[in-house]
Amino acid sequence: QQPVQSPQAVILREGEDAVINCSSSKALYSVHWYRQKHGEAPVFLMILLKGGEQKGHEKISASFNEKKQQSSLYLTASQLSYSGTYFCGTDSSGGYQKVTFGTGTKLQVIP
Amino acid sequence: NAGVTQTPKFQVLKTGQSMTLQCAQDMNHNSMYWYRQDPGMGLRLIYYSASEGTTDKGEVPNGYNVSRLNKREFSLRLESAAPSQTSVYFCASNSLASGLFEQFFGPGTRLTVL
Repeated sequence: QQPVQSPQAVILREGEDAVINCSSSKALYSVHWYRQKHGEAPVFLMILLKGGEQKGHEKISASFNEKKQQSSLYLTASQLSYSGTYFCGTDSSGGYQKVTFGTGTKLQVIP
Repeated sequence: NAGVTQTPKFQVLKTGQSMTLQCAQDMNHNSMYWYRQDPGMGLRLIYYSASEGTTDKGEVPNGYNVSRLNKREFSLRLESAAPSQTSVYFCASNSLASGLFEQFFGPGTRLTVL
């Protein structure tokens, strides 16, 4: 089942912070985060593993609450280059192969 | 180091025509994937190959077939295209080496079925 992301869209001014949430109805082994700019391929940001966390990307970090089956992506001091759609992907099998993606959060950073 | 490459970049088909989308990676990754992305939607897994010689169905495999030709190449075939298969198709590969996971996507193939 598809994870639910919130908010669906957000507009920030440069320098502001944002939090994007991802929630699943299934127990999770890992959560993946991606950013996709319009007309381009998704770019892998980071993976959060059950019981651990991989290092983040730029000024972007994330948390993973295994008990609540939720993950949050934190963007601090946003830059214009952060604009795009952010997707979480959840893996309930532990093999990294069958990742189910959310519908995305559209982030726009304005000057 | 080209990463993940896909051909073609654009394709228009008529209903019932067949075609093969090609994908290759030069990162020595074991696992390769085919996803489709419909407008305003996330990615949905069509098929994947965990290693050379193996393939498995993903979330939406109907109407597609795949071939893992070797470690580098993973192709997706539409035998009889339907308008519902109009989408952007992304190939991806990943690896878990030395405890570090990385995943890369190709630039995508934009397919329209009339």
